[in-house]
Amino acid sequence: GAGVSQTPSNKVTEKGKYVELRCDPISGHTALYWYRQSLGQGPEFLIYFQGTGAADDSGLPNDRFFAVRPEGSVSTLKIQRTERGDSAVYLCASSLTGYLDRTDGYTFGSGTRLTVV
Amino acid sequence: ELKVEQNPLFLSMQEGKNYTIYCNYSTTSDRLYWYRQDPGKSLESLFVLLSNGAVKQEGRLMASLDTKARLSTLHITAAVHDLSATYFCAVDKNQGGKLIFGQGTELSVKP
Repeated sequence: GAGVSQTPSNKVTEKGKYVELRCDPISGHTALYWYRQSLGQGPEFLIYFQGTGAADDSGLPNDRFFAVRPEGSVSTLKIQRTERGDSAVYLCASSLTGYLDRTDGYTFGSGTRLTVV
Repeated sequence: ELKVEQNPLFLSMQEGKNYTIYCNYSTTSDRLYWYRQDPGKSLESLFVLLSNGAVKQEGRLMASLDTKARLSTLHITAAVHDLSATYFCAVDKNQGGKLIFGQGTELSVKP
């Protein structure tokens, strides 16, 4: 596609429920990143995929968070037993390769605003 | 642990004035990024600075990088209202794509 697509754009869920957030990167981009942005803060790194594998998952806050990218394109971020503190905007970004060789930076999607009530 | 600090965090400017946003980071890195974020929107890439002494300009914005001082600046010339947004700098921790962001600078340009 023309840009990074994230669905849904908004998600409201009850505490304790399971949610899935989807990211569809730019076609051909091998690297995919998930970030989380809380209100008034800069984005925080969660996980980075190179192809199908998670090259760096050091930002996942705990084992309730999990992400997959089974075919090296679309990725799903999964959150189990959601807590109110998980409320944030979840951003996805992609780049042609993991080692940036372009001048236009990473392309971010418009994000999914998750609200846990 | 890599830390990225921006200042100021809030900046109210009059149109036509000049100002500079500073981005300091705590460990060696040769890659620094500037992004713009409008309220409720995603991040728009402004500049990618890839080496010491790099300077890039686009319109009224100019960014520079001093890797020895671990400092990047975003200079605004003759500000206009359309520049009102939050600006983030981010440092690539290991050139693998894990960006560490600053807290952001919320810029408001008033007539």
